[in-house]
Amino acid sequence: AQTVTQSQPEMSVQEAETVTLSCTYDTSENNYYLFWYKQPPSRQMILVIRQEAYKQQNATENRFSVNFQKAAKSFSLKISDSQLGDTAMYFCAFIPSNTGNQFYFGTGTSLTVIP
Amino acid sequence: EAGVAQSPRYKIIEKRQSVAFWCNPISGHATLYWYQQILGQGPKLLIQFQNNGVVDDSQLPKDRFSAERLKGVDSTLKIQPAKLEDSAVYLCASSFRGQDQETQYFGPGTRLLVL
Repeated sequence: AQTVTQSQPEMSVQEAETVTLSCTYDTSENNYYLFWYKQPPSRQMILVIRQEAYKQQNATENRFSVNFQKAAKSFSLKISDSQLGDTAMYFCAFIPSNTGNQFYFGTGTSLTVIP
Repeated sequence: EAGVAQSPRYKIIEKRQSVAFWCNPISGHATLYWYQQILGQGPKLLIQFQNNGVVDDSQLPKDRFSAERLKGVDSTLKIQPAKLEDSAVYLCASSFRGQDQETQYFGPGTRLLVL
């Protein structure tokens, strides 16, 4: 079975500081993809960053970067220089590469950036 | 590039009534997904289409939910009759069958409240 666990239901960070959101997953697959999605109060789910499991290099997108530890099945998201607009729910998601693109989502982490 | 469109954005109905949601995916995206997101949880896949064929509907409550994707573009999701526990946000997503096929792009969602 494929599962995604986000153990931090809520987090907060001061504006301009750095915060790390954790995600672990369980799979027997060797090839898969990992994603972080952001869902602001407006409810639009927005892609933040993606990582291919076969790539050892951690993905980065501007202020967002991941720490992908394949052996530990860990995929954390680091947000640097936090901004008020980063306040949102963050979902970690996982897709095995051979199941027709079915996403498995974690339960989410609610991040609040404090001015 | 236009994103995934959904309508209506909000719907309030009484239990046992019927409701329908509409989704227009990103142009050229062959794969379309419907998710149910209950407050405080991650999205749960209801049904996945590849063009106009169903790939996965294992979690769709078929006694009351139905979905179709005629002509392989727009899709509608129907609930008949609605129950209180159907109150949720219904998200539509689409993906492109190609190099970036694993990434799903989400619409703004339809928030359903069943009274």
